Amino acid sequence: GAGVSQSPSNKVTEKGKDVELRCDPISGHTALYWYRQSLGQGLEFLIYFQGNSAPDKSGLPSDRFSAERTGGSVSTLTIQRTQQEDSAVYLCASSFLSEKLFFGSGTQLSVL
Amino acid sequence: AQTVTQSQPEMSVQEAETVTLSCTYDTSESDYYLFWYKQPPSRQMILVIRQEAYKQQNATENRFSVNFQKAAKSFSLKISDSQLGDAAMYFCAYRSARGAGNMLTFGGGTRLMVKP
Repeated sequence: GAGVSQSPSNKVTEKGKDVELRCDPISGHTALYWYRQSLGQGLEFLIYFQGNSAPDKSGLPSDRFSAERTGGSVSTLTIQRTQQEDSAVYLCASSFLSEKLFFGSGTQLSVL
Repeated sequence: AQTVTQSQPEMSVQEAETVTLSCTYDTSESDYYLFWYKQPPSRQMILVIRQEAYKQQNATENRFSVNFQKAAKSFSLKISDSQLGDAAMYFCAYRSARGAGNMLTFGGGTRLMVKP
């Protein structure tokens, strides 16, 4: 596609529910990243996929967070048993190898 | 671990004037990259400028330039001839040159307001 696409744009959920956030990277990009941006803060790295290699999960804050990337393209970030502190903007980015990063517009997650 | 600090939560500039946003970082590495990103209300992060640590020459992109002081671990962004469209959040970011990947460490951001 023309850019990195994320859906939904906004998600409101109740505490304890599971949510899935989707990222569709730029076609041909080998690397995909998830970042979290809490209100008024900078971005926090969550997870990184590069080709068929095992993902770098070092930034995931707890085992309630998981992500997969199917067929080397679309990625889904899943948050189980959501908590209020999970409320944030979740940004996805992609790049070809380690070249310039292109970001999506993010998903604003609100946990009530 | 690397850290990036932006000490100015908010800055304001008059249209057509010049403004400088500050950034300091902490690292034990000698080879790395530094970035400034702009985040408008659309939330999409847009790369403004990039600096390689091994280059002494400061990067410049049109009205945007940096003052990179490696010994002081300082990386400020200067915006000349400020325009209304420059109003946004600005984030400084660090990336190690070691290993694969584009994992960035971000500062907390500076909100830039441009007054007409």
